[in-house]
Amino acid sequence: KQEVTQIPAALSVPEGENLVLNCSFTDSAIYNLQWFRQDPGKGLTSLLLIQSSQREQTSGRLNASLDKSSGRSTLYIAASQPGDSATYLCAVITQGGSEKLVFGKGTKLTVNP
Amino acid sequence: GAVVSQHPSRVICKSGTSVKIECRSLDFQATTMFWYRQFPKQSLMLMATSNEGSKATYEQGVEKDKFLINHASLTLSTLTVTSAHPEDSSFYICSARDNRVPYYNSPLHFGNGTRLTVT
Repeated sequence: KQEVTQIPAALSVPEGENLVLNCSFTDSAIYNLQWFRQDPGKGLTSLLLIQSSQREQTSGRLNASLDKSSGRSTLYIAASQPGDSATYLCAVITQGGSEKLVFGKGTKLTVNP
Repeated sequence: GAVVSQHPSRVICKSGTSVKIECRSLDFQATTMFWYRQFPKQSLMLMATSNEGSKATYEQGVEKDKFLINHASLTLSTLTVTSAHPEDSSFYICSARDNRVPYYNSPLHFGNGTRLTVT
């Protein structure tokens, strides 16, 4: 059974700092990994999707990497801003015929002005 | 970009009543939609997979008679919480995937969620 873990559970940084969020998964046989952002009381916004054959994806100040063999992904946020404050979730689709996403519990990020 | 609309965003109901939540894909078609439940400070737990034109697939431990799912068109799925009780109070979120892209290549698009409070 696939399990996704995110460390740390919470992170507080001053504005302007670069930061890394970590995600690990137990079953490396995945189709893809997706990073989401969730604002309080809201749904999820898709940030980046990395296919299993890819090593990284970039969007603006965000860079996500994937090391499938070791079951790890990182989300790098450059020059953080207070507007980046949210909970960041990673999720994977595991090979084996299912379309289901398995989520981690998320990292709550606070960027202080 | 792909938009998923979920209504209502917030509902308060009395114990014993039923509540219907709608999930619509606005600019794409979705054969498959997913319903999640999220408790405070917890991750999303998949409740069921909604399949257009056929029965939903429920996760283990989810009562299908309590959480009725109807996916009558390629753009609409509904979740009805029947005979709601206070323990059903939670945040319910739907998601959908664009039919045009294979699921292993396609991101999931989420609605903004529904906060259900049962008094």
